[in-house]
Amino acid sequence: AQSVTQLDSQVPVFEEAPVELRCNYSSSVSVYLFWYVQYPNQGLQLLLKYLSGSTLVKGINGFEAEFNKSQTSFHLRKPSVHISDTAEYFCAVSSNFGNEKLTFGTGTRLTIIP
Amino acid sequence: DTGVSQNPRHKITKRGQNVTFRCDPISEHNRLYWYRQTLGQGPEFLTYFQNEAQLEKSRLLSDRFSAERPKGSFSTLEIQRTEQGDSAMYLCASSLLIEQYFGPGTRLTVT
Repeated sequence: AQSVTQLDSQVPVFEEAPVELRCNYSSSVSVYLFWYVQYPNQGLQLLLKYLSGSTLVKGINGFEAEFNKSQTSFHLRKPSVHISDTAEYFCAVSSNFGNEKLTFGTGTRLTIIP
Repeated sequence: DTGVSQNPRHKITKRGQNVTFRCDPISEHNRLYWYRQTLGQGPEFLTYFQNEAQLEKSRLLSDRFSAERPKGSFSTLEIQRTEQGDSAMYLCASSLLIEQYFGPGTRLTVT
């Protein structure tokens, strides 16, 4: 079984400032890692994924994340945020075999301050 | 590729009534997933289909819940004798390889 911890439930950031959203996971098997974004009253949109290979992965909208196996972390970063980045961000993990069902964290609400 | 679609988008029902939701996955995606999301929480896995076979069900899926995927295309999720605790957003996702693509969800309110 896997679990995901997103320690920060809310993160306020000034526009054009950098941001890091933290994600730690626990698993007894090798995993795939994902970040999804959810805008109000909408479904989830895939931002980026780590499957294998390079530990630094780049996604859409200027986001990137780094997989750290020793620290079991997959933190999401963006060097300069915009008002349009205001949303809920979810980190998710799945095992790398089987049906790949996703286990999500509780989410981080990113609020951009003009 | 028109994306995953879900109908209805919103459903208000009275406690004790039955409801059915539909999910149309991205064409050619053989895997289909249902998740439930309550306020302030991340989505929780409910069940999973590969083609028409339902391969896994979460313990969250009580006997009042049933899901089908006839012919391996669209899927339906039925909740019988709804309870107020069933109020949530029900999300459907489909995949071909590893990445799951989500629909907009069906928001259920049980009064």
